[in-house]
Amino acid sequence: QSALTQPPSASGSPGQSVTISCTGTSSDVGAYNYVSWYQQYPGKAPKLMIYDVTKRPSGVPDRFSGSKSGNTASLTVSGLQAEDEAYYYCCSYAGSNKFVFGTGTKVTVL
Amino acid sequence: QVQLVQSGAEVKKPGASVKVSCKASGFNGYYMHWVRQAPGQGLEWMGWINPKNGSNYAQKFQGRLTMTRDTSANTAYMELGRLTSDDTAVYYCARVPAWGMDVWGQGTTVTVSS
Repeated sequence: QSALTQPPSASGSPGQSVTISCTGTSSDVGAYNYVSWYQQYPGKAPKLMIYDVTKRPSGVPDRFSGSKSGNTASLTVSGLQAEDEAYYYCCSYAGSNKFVFGTGTKVTVL
Repeated sequence: QVQLVQSGAEVKKPGASVKVSCKASGFNGYYMHWVRQAPGQGLEWMGWINPKNGSNYAQKFQGRLTMTRDTSANTAYMELGRLTSDDTAVYYCARVPAWGMDVWGQGTTVTVSS
């Protein structure tokens, strides 16, 4: 199972929006609505930001939103804030009780 | 308080095995996944164990990975054998109530070195 493809980096100024893509195949992202997104600060455990493509856990700001089209899922962070500077990883169910993570994207707030 | 607390850092020699524990508090009975992160690298899914001790592992770990759980102690375990330097990583356990990993352990650093 190959890792999902994410851009290595993305950036935006405070208040702007940034969108991160997560490209898989018709066997994972394209086949199931089970994509989740995680935020990770260096040296810390990941934090769930989005699950089931579009759902936000309690406590996650509504500035974070998810979507999917075909084999590509996306995470959009609107109204960028300094605290959003972190690494972001997507994860998809890949069938046969397996999961696969994305390669990760570092978001920089300029 | 809902949390997962993992065992401490380990240093192992190549060829050895390591067993990491993950104790749950504030809940029980969920699927538990294990994820690892090599230094400077991304997250890698390893497998899961369900409340009935069924498990499923990523293909690359088949044959040297075993996940178990002790229901009475509300603790999950991940044992990885035939260690090489490529297994040096931080290992995380994570709770999965549905399709997202919503509670994570603090991570356990495993270093494989001769």
